[in-house]
Amino acid sequence: DAGITQSPRHKVTETGTPVTLRCHQTENHRYMYWYRQDPGHGLRLIHYSYGVKDTDKGEVSDGYSVSRSKTEDFLLTLESATSSQTSVYFCAISEIMDIQETQYFGPGTRLLVL
Amino acid sequence: GQNIDQPTEMTATEGAIVQINCTYQTSGFNGLFWYQQHAGEAPTFLSYNVLDGLEEKGRFSSFLSRSKGYSYLLLKELQMKDSASYLCAVRDAAAGNKLTFGGGTRVLVKP
Repeated sequence: DAGITQSPRHKVTETGTPVTLRCHQTENHRYMYWYRQDPGHGLRLIHYSYGVKDTDKGEVSDGYSVSRSKTEDFLLTLESATSSQTSVYFCAISEIMDIQETQYFGPGTRLLVL
Repeated sequence: GQNIDQPTEMTATEGAIVQINCTYQTSGFNGLFWYQQHAGEAPTFLSYNVLDGLEEKGRFSSFLSRSKGYSYLLLKELQMKDSASYLCAVRDAAAGNKLTFGGGTRVLVKP
């Protein structure tokens, strides 16, 4: 599992409230990602990071922001949660050795926005 | 943009072989991944292909043809625990090396 944890694992919140999800890794990987997974859409990239304070948008970044102030933590924030953001959120890291790349996923966070 | 196609669902018998195809269109191909995902769990890495040919890892093999925009995942000696979704994902250098996932193929293994 490449030492990836996510917190919380489950959360129920109300529309309009801010929510922050945390991804923590213990192996000093440079690249970290946030995805959401929804029925009928598969996994979609929200934001990713290629180093401390270096982040970029994915295909579904609207309504989300991220921060990476240290290597091991990548935070995803929903500034004002909406029901359309009810989803399962996965964090991932990339491990690159020569030309072989492996992407490992965290256990996921199930978010329900009422 | 990218277009990744894989069948929605496949059924096979325990002990048999199943081949899951994935076709893609991308302007800057830079690697293809296969993942296994059991219901309610996170995807787990199976294989990564960046060069043409077959990569074998035990009962699972993955093949890539870059000229055809085509890959397959071959599952041999199927076991009941192989019932899961299998996700194909492509990295595109022309899109900042981000990964794009297909919708996944649900494989049901029957006794």
